[in-house]
Amino acid sequence: DAKTTQPPSMDCAEGRAANLPCNHSTISGNEYVYWYRQIHSQGPQYIIHGLKNNETNEMASLIITEDRKSSTLILPHATLRDTAVYYCIVRVAHSGGYQKVTFGIGTKLQVIP
Amino acid sequence: DVKVTQSSRYLVKRTGEKVFLECVQDMDHENMFWYRQDPGLGLRLIYFSYDVKMKEKGDIPEGYSVSREKKERFSLILESASTNQTSMYLCASTRRPDRSYEQYFGPGTRLTVT
Repeated sequence: DAKTTQPPSMDCAEGRAANLPCNHSTISGNEYVYWYRQIHSQGPQYIIHGLKNNETNEMASLIITEDRKSSTLILPHATLRDTAVYYCIVRVAHSGGYQKVTFGIGTKLQVIP
Repeated sequence: DVKVTQSSRYLVKRTGEKVFLECVQDMDHENMFWYRQDPGLGLRLIYFSYDVKMKEKGDIPEGYSVSREKKERFSLILESASTNQTSMYLCASTRRPDRSYEQYFGPGTRLTVT
């Protein structure tokens, strides 16, 4: 699996957009970028994933650069409840078998009132 | 919305007790997983199931067993609880065969074995 690099921590003002970067310079052509988050003392939460096109859902937007070597998760209007550790993961989506979720260090996002 | 529920948020058990952790999902997902999460060790897969009555060992199955009698329910059993099984236990589910990495997690059960 391609390795990812994320900043260990970030702050964001409440109501502003939170832009969380992720570098994955060794990504392969068939690997997707996935984002999860984990709020303190809760289970991880799947947010979004994408291959090469930008993706948007009710939670966030995912912007992937044209060379696919990096991506940005955007929370358009951060709230205090978005304070969490955010994990960027690169994995093959359709392996034909089960896939266990594994996390790296992630980015601890602190949303400030 | 996918909903994965776990029977308890917090549980305290004594060494040697048999412990049952229950997980239920309401999205008709084929795949279900049990993980444990410990500081510094991240998520570790204990067991998973890809269908009713089917189960496969994950990375750390020792001391655990599982049961899947119905599609929506996946149980984790600690046959004889030990203090090193004190942990956060997380259940997850996902569809098969695609989207296997798009997993939906329950809130977790924090188990303390004394």
